[in-house]
Amino acid sequence: EPEVTQTPSHQVTQMGQEVILRCVPISNHLYFYWYRQILGQKVEFLVSFYNNEISEKSEIFDDQFSVERPDGSNFTLKIRSTKLEDSAMYFCASSETEIYNEQFFGPGTRLTVL
Amino acid sequence: AQKVTQAQTEISVVEKEDVTLDCVYETRDTTYYLFWYKQPPSGELVFLIRRNSFDEQNEISGRYSWNFQKSTSSFNFTITASQVVDSAVYFCALKETDKLIFGTGTRLQVFP
Repeated sequence: EPEVTQTPSHQVTQMGQEVILRCVPISNHLYFYWYRQILGQKVEFLVSFYNNEISEKSEIFDDQFSVERPDGSNFTLKIRSTKLEDSAMYFCASSETEIYNEQFFGPGTRLTVL
Repeated sequence: AQKVTQAQTEISVVEKEDVTLDCVYETRDTTYYLFWYKQPPSGELVFLIRRNSFDEQNEISGRYSWNFQKSTSSFNFTITASQVVDSAVYFCALKETDKLIFGTGTRLQVFP
């Protein structure tokens, strides 16, 4: 069964460093998303991406964040200068269409900023 | 504003008990979509069900059932004859434009 994959599973970084989180969405899906979950809290939307551009972003997704689909399979989230409060689980998701299809989530990348 | 409320923070049951997880939503949209996801201790988010606002039929899938009531803006999830493997955090979510708005989740602990 096709699934969303994410690498790495755990990333530890120093405050101020840049990190890139990688995702491979399900191959025939057209819509891609990043969410984050601070430990013990709810899942929060960061950004959605379709047709090589951002379609929606939340207030959390400020200038420190960027997304890219560098090739036909990868979808990345970059945090330019990490802060302590960026420590969270980051989930990538994809869906076949935007309107009603469920979003399938990857296993997550746990980001720890020291 | 769109909102999802899961008032039950944590529920503990003994195996074989039935348990219902509550979800109340707020939306101004006339057409909307609701979801349930399961987050087991391993951390991934597992899709369980999608419900469209124009389809109020309740759904049963094995030991899982969902009760959608537009009149009370609720989309409750019942596990019949719970098992230890059902122990997880369960999230209800509402689709708004591109994104899912999640509730705060209900942690279900099933003891043997």
